[in-house]
Amino acid sequence: NAGVMQNPRHLVRRRGQEARLRCSPMKGHSHVYWYRQLPEEGLKFMVYLQKENIIDESGMPKERFSAEFPKEGPSILRIQQVVRGDSAAYFCASSPRGRGVTDTEAFFGQGTRLTVV
Amino acid sequence: AQSVTQPDIHITVSEGASLELRCNYSYGATPYLFWYVQSPGQGLQLLLKYFSGDTLVQGIKGFEAEFKRSQSSFNLRKPSVHWSDAAEYFCAVGANTGFQKLVFGTGTRLLVSP
Repeated sequence: NAGVMQNPRHLVRRRGQEARLRCSPMKGHSHVYWYRQLPEEGLKFMVYLQKENIIDESGMPKERFSAEFPKEGPSILRIQQVVRGDSAAYFCASSPRGRGVTDTEAFFGQGTRLTVV
Repeated sequence: AQSVTQPDIHITVSEGASLELRCNYSYGATPYLFWYVQSPGQGLQLLLKYFSGDTLVQGIKGFEAEFKRSQSSFNLRKPSVHWSDAAEYFCAVGANTGFQKLVFGTGTRLLVSP
């Protein structure tokens, strides 16, 4: 059973371009979480999705950022018109169910390192 | 608001020596506490978690952590470090509502010297 797969591992974009980050959850997992780690900071929650639904996007910047988790295919985190401040590591995690942490686990991917030049 | 502090950015330990990584948290309710490890090129892996009960928690790879409510701490320990333990370690706090909104510390990078 493959783990959470994120691609690309490294992404370089020029200011103003779009960045698309992909996350394939573990087999059987229908809950996906995106976190961002800015330099010298801890991981910060961005968005929580189930298949075809955004459950909690309270950590998403109001503009330029969007996320989806379609019925088929990976979850996508999309950043439009990137700026230097978007340079960060973006981590995806998945779990088999959403509520409760005492009897389940979230598995994290390796992250995508986005560099905006 | 919740917060997690890992005061040590880097720690170097000799192979075979004991290890303690510090974690202090601020949380208004009963905390759910986690330690994750990220080896080079890998994703974050859960080492252990604390929800209730025995304050000394055993995890994988020989790690343990002790919850001290009076000190708001959840320090990670290992009696004898192996070279393969070199990695970055993250402490996190959350609620039982799910894995969204875990609050992570900034991480401690462990270096193991021969």
